[in-house]
Amino acid sequence: ETGVTQTPRHLVMGMTNKKSLKCEQHLGHNAMYWYKQSAKKPLELMFVYSLEERVENNSVPSRFSPECPNSSHLFLHLHTLQPEDSALYLCASSQVRTGIYEQYFGPGTRLTVT
Amino acid sequence: QKEVEQNSGPLSVPEGAIASLNCTYSDRGSQSFFWYRQYSGKSPELIMFIYSNGDKEDGRFTAQLNKASQYVSLLIRDSQPSDSATYLCAVNGGGGSNYKLTFGKGTLLTVNP
Repeated sequence: ETGVTQTPRHLVMGMTNKKSLKCEQHLGHNAMYWYKQSAKKPLELMFVYSLEERVENNSVPSRFSPECPNSSHLFLHLHTLQPEDSALYLCASSQVRTGIYEQYFGPGTRLTVT
Repeated sequence: QKEVEQNSGPLSVPEGAIASLNCTYSDRGSQSFFWYRQYSGKSPELIMFIYSNGDKEDGRFTAQLNKASQYVSLLIRDSQPSDSATYLCAVNGGGGSNYKLTFGKGTLLTVNP
């Protein structure tokens, strides 16, 4: 595996379900990000983990819960979602200590909430 | 509120022409500027980044940065139909949040054969 991987690629869930999105980066980076991309809107940063510590939480509803067990893995736990949460969820990683801040994205999880 | 503005397009150019994509940003403390390409149904792919004023060339792509005008652009020479995609401009936060990128809404580019 190379780059940033995400599973599942597609997810359909009901409003009462609990599911988790998984992200893994194989780039040796030390920061990971969750973004939400909805139609006609710019990418919205949800969470940032740097050195496994959450450093950013952009007023995201508590029905989204991130987890970063180590610098290579990132999860987004989902529960009691709303239809408006249907979107493309993107994971990204970067190296923040060396002055290189480019972010590399995974393929995304297309989430549909019914 | 840090903002990144892009013309949403669509921008339509004939094959072989130069496509010019523009972006303005509000945070004067921003230090790094990125261009991502996103094909329909796919995730963003980094194609260029620039840190210093002036031009940076990579193959058919040239990024231009003018910090005084808070303006960054991407030129695509000899445009190909495969360049048809949405181009996202991203700007880093500057200061203590330089790991954080703010994205524009993107410009849809169509290259006509």
